[in-house]
Amino acid sequence: DVKVTQSSRYLVKRTGEKVFLECVQDMDHENMFWYRQDPGLGLRLIYFSYDVKMKEKGDIPEGYSVSREKKERFSLILESASTNQTSMYLCASNEGFQPQHFGDGTRLSIL
Amino acid sequence: QQQVKQSPQSLIVQKGGIPIINCAYENTAFDYFPWYQQFPGKGPALLIAIRPDVSEKKEGRFTISFNKSAKQFSLHIMDSQPGDSATYFCAASIWGTYKYIFGTGTRLKVLA
Repeated sequence: DVKVTQSSRYLVKRTGEKVFLECVQDMDHENMFWYRQDPGLGLRLIYFSYDVKMKEKGDIPEGYSVSREKKERFSLILESASTNQTSMYLCASNEGFQPQHFGDGTRLSIL
Repeated sequence: QQQVKQSPQSLIVQKGGIPIINCAYENTAFDYFPWYQQFPGKGPALLIAIRPDVSEKKEGRFTISFNKSAKQFSLHIMDSQPGDSATYFCAASIWGTYKYIFGTGTRLKVLA
């Protein structure tokens, strides 16, 4: 069965901190994605990666960066966390153009 | 052009009712339309998907209707159950690209 695992379910950080969100998939998928989910706005794509060390900006990349050193792991980095980055963050993966499989999310609060 | 407009924002139905969730798009290049179901505390999970070469697709109690000329598609849940209470997202993509555009979600509550 497909498994996308996000390392933290809940995270509380302070303004200005550097924050790392980790995601691991066990399906050997080529593609991995980071979204943020906010009420009334749906899911918005932050970054995606179609291969190791390859990345592309999504719709809202400002304030974020990503790292993909290994095929199974995709990290989202908040360089200097701000309160407007308080949100639910969802990681997803897929193979080719097949449907995306999502993790259960990390609810991040920035104080 | 890149938006997918979803309505209603929330929906309450009695058990056995048929909730209908609607989505509309502008970009005629979209050719793959999945629906995702999300329970509280969980990530979205693929429910059913359709390509524009068919007007309807059924999987169990879930049906997608597709109107290519109107650029609209909708999800119908037959004989809805309290266990169907969840948030539903429509999405659209261009087959052969990586990017999905998601609707804003519909929170469905089915009363027992």
